[in-house]
Amino acid sequence: KAGVTQTPRYLIKTRGQQVTLSCSPISGHRSVSWYQQTPGQGLQFLFEYFSETQRNKGNFPGRFSGRQFSNSRSEMNVSTLELGDSALYLCASSSQANWEQFFGPGTRLTVL
Amino acid sequence: AQSVTQPDIHITVSEGASLELRCNYSYGATPYLFWYVQSPGQGLQLLLKYFSGDTLVQGIKGFEAEFKRSQSSFNLRKPSVHWSDAAEYFCAVAGNQAGTALIFGKGTTLSVSS
Repeated sequence: KAGVTQTPRYLIKTRGQQVTLSCSPISGHRSVSWYQQTPGQGLQFLFEYFSETQRNKGNFPGRFSGRQFSNSRSEMNVSTLELGDSALYLCASSSQANWEQFFGPGTRLTVL
Repeated sequence: AQSVTQPDIHITVSEGASLELRCNYSYGATPYLFWYVQSPGQGLQLLLKYFSGDTLVQGIKGFEAEFKRSQSSFNLRKPSVHWSDAAEYFCAVAGNQAGTALIFGKGTTLSVSS
């Protein structure tokens, strides 16, 4: 099986812009979670989608949003980018039967 | 509040020596526990997990971890470290319901000296 894929791998944006990141889960996995990783805050949970519905949400401002499509692919969007949004954004997928989460390689977002 | 503490930010171990990385958690209910490894510029790879049952769990790459409920700990061990084990290691905890977020510790960076 192919692993979790994330596109793009690297992204450079300027403050005030918006960005969309994409995640394709492992085939058959219906749950997709997003995490932000920064040197200062570490790994923090953003949100989780299951069957196109947001099932859980972390403590992030409304500028961070996401969605999931019928094929389980997921996107996350960050509007009005701030310098502090520079981070590695990781996506993880899991099946309903097995709770184990598999992570993608991440998207490195740099905000200038 | 739920939390995970990894007391050691950075550890250096000689190649061939044994390794123990510490992890303490705070969680009200019965947790699911995980250890992940991250190489530079990469995503997270699951080393092992504990859901229930035998408190000593075996993982990939020769790693094992022991769940001690009385100490709220889930320490990672390896009897003989290889240079390729140099990476950052994260302990994580989650609830036993699907969709529950993983709560990560701050990580421990492992360096291996020759």
